[in-house]
Amino acid sequence: GENVEQHPSTLSVQEGDSAVIKCTYSDSASNYFPWYKQELGKGPQLIIDIRSNVGEKKDQRIAVTLNKTAKHFSLHITETQPEDSAVYFCAASGNTGFQKLVFGTGTRLLVSP
Amino acid sequence: KAGVTQTPRYLIKTRGQQVTLSCSPISGHRSVSWYQQTPGQGLQFLFEYFSETQRNKGNFPGRFSGRQFSNSRSEMNVSTLELGDSALYLCASSSGLAAETKQFFGPGTRLTVL
Repeated sequence: GENVEQHPSTLSVQEGDSAVIKCTYSDSASNYFPWYKQELGKGPQLIIDIRSNVGEKKDQRIAVTLNKTAKHFSLHITETQPEDSAVYFCAASGNTGFQKLVFGTGTRLLVSP
Repeated sequence: KAGVTQTPRYLIKTRGQQVTLSCSPISGHRSVSWYQQTPGQGLQFLFEYFSETQRNKGNFPGRFSGRQFSNSRSEMNVSTLELGDSALYLCASSSGLAAETKQFFGPGTRLTVL
């Protein structure tokens, strides 16, 4: 089945810096890649997603890139702010059945003022 | 639109008991998926219901079951609780009309098994 690896597990940056989180997936048939942000005591919040027919998608300070050949996708956050501090999860789905997301292990992002 | 709601938010049970968790999806959404989140195993898919039918199932024992009602609300049940069932149980709501539809999560139910 699908396997998603996520790096790094923790990431500390200064406010205003950029942050990049990377994921790789194993199933070449996967075609949908969402990113979630989870704050303490809350459920995961969808922040951006990308489909396999698109190489890059941007929404204000966040962007996601997808390299289908290498089976890599990445989350880019620019001009980080303290409120960006949270755990970020990548996920993949597509071939294993409707609505089944396979998640990475998460990245704890800490943005220091 | 109101978001995904889950009740109760917290539960404490003892080994051997059973528990039922409830999820109300976003209005108009017909798919409800359930996930288990633990520090050791991360986020793992339990099952998905669409129009009252289980459409997909993860690799969990038969003690984990669910159902969906005609109004799309869903319940999951865990019987014969084990210590390892302590986790945050999350449900996700989507239209369910394609494999690539956005899923929106509720706040979760924190289950502690003593």
